[in-house]
Amino acid sequence: NAGVTQTPKFQVLKTGQSMTLQCAQDMNHNSMYWYRQDPGMGLRLIYYSASEGTTDKGEVPNGYNVSRLNKREFSLRLESAAPSQTSVYFCASRWEPRDGQYFGPGTRLTVT
Amino acid sequence: GQQVMQIPQYQHVQEGEDFTTYCNSSTTLSNIQWYKQRPGGHPVFLIQLVKSGEVKKQKRLTFQFGEAKKNSSLHITATQTTDVGTYFCAAQEYSNYQLIWGAGTKLIIKP
Repeated sequence: NAGVTQTPKFQVLKTGQSMTLQCAQDMNHNSMYWYRQDPGMGLRLIYYSASEGTTDKGEVPNGYNVSRLNKREFSLRLESAAPSQTSVYFCASRWEPRDGQYFGPGTRLTVT
Repeated sequence: GQQVMQIPQYQHVQEGEDFTTYCNSSTTLSNIQWYKQRPGGHPVFLIQLVKSGEVKKQKRLTFQFGEAKKNSSLHITATQTTDVGTYFCAAQEYSNYQLIWGAGTKLIIKP
């Protein structure tokens, strides 16, 4: 089992460009999450999907959109990147709402 | 919104010394989870505590959940270089499935 995979690992964008971060899990988990982590800081929830077919906003959703493509895949889209979106983005998943979360390796995004 | 206070922000220890991090909530929690993040890595789920007064051990790590289910601690005995990283608590309320993350405690081993 690969667990949670994320692509790409690194990305540099210019202000105003768009991109989609991909996440996939092979653990048959129901819930999936997108977080951002700024240098030296904790985790902030961007969006989550409690189950296939549903998505909800987290703490910092502005500037992002998500798609739960199927049970395995959950993508995060930046429509018009801004320097404030420079961060490390983690995808996570879990089986039940009160289980621990399993994280992917992260995407390190720089917006210039 | 609801916050979880985690202290200290940093702890510098000599290898072989003990390390403790604390998390406190103003409300009663459903459960609390602990994660470790190595430098440059991703958070890794360590354990979940659910019951009032629960104590769980993983080798040199001891996790406690307070009697009132409002606070928790992680204690590492005789730290090793492999323990370096940031330890996060993440709390879950009865009314909300979303995790409330602490700010993390960074464990630094002095050379």
